[in-house]
Amino acid sequence: GAGVSQSPSNKVTEKGKDVELRCDPISGHTALYWYRQRLGQGLEFLIYFQGNSAPDKSGLPSDRFSAERTGESVSTLTIQRTQQEDSAVYLCASSSAATSGGANEQFFGPGTRLTVL
Amino acid sequence: AQSVSQHNHHVILSEAASLELGCNYSYGGTVNLFWYVQYPGQHLQLLLKYFSGDPLVKGIKGFEAEFIKSKFSFNLRKPSVQWSDTAEYFCAVRSYNQGGKLIFGQGTELSVKP
Repeated sequence: GAGVSQSPSNKVTEKGKDVELRCDPISGHTALYWYRQRLGQGLEFLIYFQGNSAPDKSGLPSDRFSAERTGESVSTLTIQRTQQEDSAVYLCASSSAATSGGANEQFFGPGTRLTVL
Repeated sequence: AQSVSQHNHHVILSEAASLELGCNYSYGGTVNLFWYVQYPGQHLQLLLKYFSGDPLVKGIKGFEAEFIKSKFSFNLRKPSVQWSDTAEYFCAVRSYNQGGKLIFGQGTELSVKP
């Protein structure tokens, strides 16, 4: 596609429910990143994928958060037993690589606004 | 741990005023530096980036930034702002040995009065 797409654009859920957020990266981009942006704050790194593997999961805030990527394409971020503090905009980005020697531009999607009641 | 600090949360300027947004980072190793911009209702997009070489980098829409290694700074500048520059600006750092992840500052909201 022309850019990174995310769905849904908005999600309202009740505390304790599970949610799945989807990211479709730019075609051919091997690296995929998830970030979270709480109201009035900067973006927090959650996890990144190189291909289908996740070399760095250090930003996942708890074991309620998990992510997977299949076919070096779509990624899903799952939050189990949602809590009110999970309310945020979840952003996905992709880039052509995640190499040590080069910093390829990350292209961001529009985000999913998650509200936990 | 790495961190990025943006000194101003909200800046209000009149058109034609000069702009400088501060950004400092804590990491001491080799870094790449970025400024991203988010216009109202739009996605985050890259404004400019520094990899190596000339520490003064130029980006889109007349923006530039200067990397000062000794000060761990990467301040964003524009000589004359326009109303259309109203947006939120994020500084980000990537360290060379930590893959591609970006560490972001908390953002600076710029409001330009016509």
